[in-house]
Amino acid sequence: GENVEQHPSTLSVQEGDSAVIKCTYSDSASNYFPWYKQELGKRPQLIIDIRSNVGEKKDQRIAVTLNKTAKHFSLHITETQPEDSAVYFCAASRRRSSASKIIFGSGTRLSIRP
Amino acid sequence: KAGVTQTPRYLIKTRGQQVTLSCSPISGHRSVSWYQQTPGQGLQFLFEYFSETQRNKGNFPGRFSGRQFSNSRSEMNVSTLELGDSALYLCASSGTLDTQYFGPGTRLTVL
Repeated sequence: GENVEQHPSTLSVQEGDSAVIKCTYSDSASNYFPWYKQELGKRPQLIIDIRSNVGEKKDQRIAVTLNKTAKHFSLHITETQPEDSAVYFCAASRRRSSASKIIFGSGTRLSIRP
Repeated sequence: KAGVTQTPRYLIKTRGQQVTLSCSPISGHRSVSWYQQTPGQGLQFLFEYFSETQRNKGNFPGRFSGRQFSNSRSEMNVSTLELGDSALYLCASSGTLDTQYFGPGTRLTVL
């Protein structure tokens, strides 16, 4: 069945350093890949997304890359700050298709060390 | 626009009881999805409703059911509650662009 694997499950980086979270999906028809950030006690919120016709997208300190051939995509956070500490979820779906649901990865708990 | 709202925010039930959770999507959104979130299992998809019809379903037992009304508001019901049903239940709505917007969740505790 459809599956999204996310690594690592926990990540600790020094403030100011970069963080990278990687996801692999199984459904080759997936064409929409959002990333969500969930702070403690709060709801998941979309931080960036990428469509399958784009290889990379950047928004200030965060960027996402997509390799369709290898079926994996990654989240990159540069110049990390304390407020980046949260759980991050990747997801994959077939956009605008009623035949598929969005599948989430298992999450990465990111901690930023001062 | 007002965000996704869920009621109640907290609920305590005992084993064997049933519970109904409610979700009001963002105005204009016709799709509502439900997720169960537990510390060790991440976000587990329960089902999705679109225009009052269940469009997709996850791998949960039949004790978990839902429905959607003509105004797109959705309810989720869990019957014969078990201890393992204790979790945060999140709903998310989406419009034409497929981006999902989550509600604050209902934290269910089963004793």
